[in-house]
Amino acid sequence: AQTVTQSQPEMSVQEAETVTLSCTYDTSESDYYLFWYKQPPSRQMILVIRQEAYKQQNATENRFSVNFQKAAKSFSLKISDSQLGDAAMYFCAKEGGSEKLVFGKGTKLTVNP
Amino acid sequence: AAGVIQSPRHLIKEKRETATLKCYPIPRHDTVYWYQQGPGQDPQFLISFYEKMQSDKGSIPDRFSAQQFSDYHSELNMSSLELGDSALYFCASSSRGEKLFFGSGTQLSVL
Repeated sequence: AQTVTQSQPEMSVQEAETVTLSCTYDTSESDYYLFWYKQPPSRQMILVIRQEAYKQQNATENRFSVNFQKAAKSFSLKISDSQLGDAAMYFCAKEGGSEKLVFGKGTKLTVNP
Repeated sequence: AAGVIQSPRHLIKEKRETATLKCYPIPRHDTVYWYQQGPGQDPQFLISFYEKMQSDKGSIPDRFSAQQFSDYHSELNMSSLELGDSALYFCASSSRGEKLFFGSGTQLSVL
């Protein structure tokens, strides 16, 4: 079974600072998608960023960027200029065949004012 | 823009009762997915439908069934409810090959 591992159950960052959330995964595929989802206390699942494995360029969405290392099967999320509204659970996910998602266990991010 | 609509938002049931959760995908999306997220857990894939046919199946109990109708909405039917079925149930939809959009979820509480 494919797995997605988030080794940091909790992280904290000072407002306006930068934080990096780690994610590794296991796959035998060469082409796939990777995602970071944000789940605030409302529990809505919000797509933060998506990376296509065949693209070498790291995806960027405003203050959010990824460091995608395909050979190492690593997909970390960097949040720059952290804001209080960034506080949430962050899930790393991989498209696991038939386009369904396999999620990691999540990282709880706290943003300190 | 239209989003994925789930109903009801909250549902309270007794043990051994039956529950039906509904999902209305984004218009022109042809694939629907159901996920279960227990308290403090990551979402787990249950089942998916593509063009009204079951396309994949995950860790869905035999007590659960689902289908996608001609108008593309989907229903998740859960029978003989157990305390452990208490969870947030997400529906998501996509157009083949594109990213998933999640609904707001149905919070099921089994007492």
